[in-house]
Amino acid sequence: SYILTQPPSVSVAPGQTARITCGGSNIGGFAVHWYQQKAGQAPVQVIFHDSDRPSGIPERLSGSNSGNTATLTISRVEAGDEADYYCQVWLTTSDRMVFGGGTKLTVL
Amino acid sequence: QVQLVESGGGVVQPGRSLRLSCAASGFTFSHYGMHWLRQAPGKGLEWVAVITYDGRTKHYGDSVKGRFTISRDNSKNTLSLQMTSLRADDTAVYYCARDVAAVTADYWGQGTLVTVSS
Repeated sequence: SYILTQPPSVSVAPGQTARITCGGSNIGGFAVHWYQQKAGQAPVQVIFHDSDRPSGIPERLSGSNSGNTATLTISRVEAGDEADYYCQVWLTTSDRMVFGGGTKLTVL
Repeated sequence: QVQLVESGGGVVQPGRSLRLSCAASGFTFSHYGMHWLRQAPGKGLEWVAVITYDGRTKHYGDSVKGRFTISRDNSKNTLSLQMTSLRADDTAVYYCARDVAAVTADYWGQGTLVTVSS
């Protein structure tokens, strides 16, 4: 089975840059999507197809994907960015969706 | 605006069945594939199943294959998940979500809680 590995937690001070990684074997060959889930709420897609932003998502959030690591970057972090973040890929060889374990972003 | 509203959750005994529904509005339901996903208490996201826009093709996660059935009624803009042989580890918030390009899910409902307990 295909495993996506995320750090359990990332902490950053307001105004700084947070980088949340998602590791997987040759993940650069997949389209990676990212979700933000605030406490008690449903997930919201914040990045799709590696680096595209849905409408309404601020430019401070960006994504990249290469080799064995995809990265969600949040610039100028704000208190409102505190949430769990999940990466996701679709496995075309087995027709299933896979999620990383999630990363809790804490704004200090 | 896209709206997805799940219903049908509740407390059910192990081994019993339950049917979840998802009412869709704000988009042309019959043009989109749809997913069910779930999240156990305090845990991460898990994909459950997907159905194509016309209902002809369905895929399931390994943990529910053979026990859960996804279906849709395009005339009623409704997605369903029939769950049988429920186990304690099926306890979770269940979300429906709209498929995008058969690779991801853009809009999610608020979820419905299923608790499997005796």
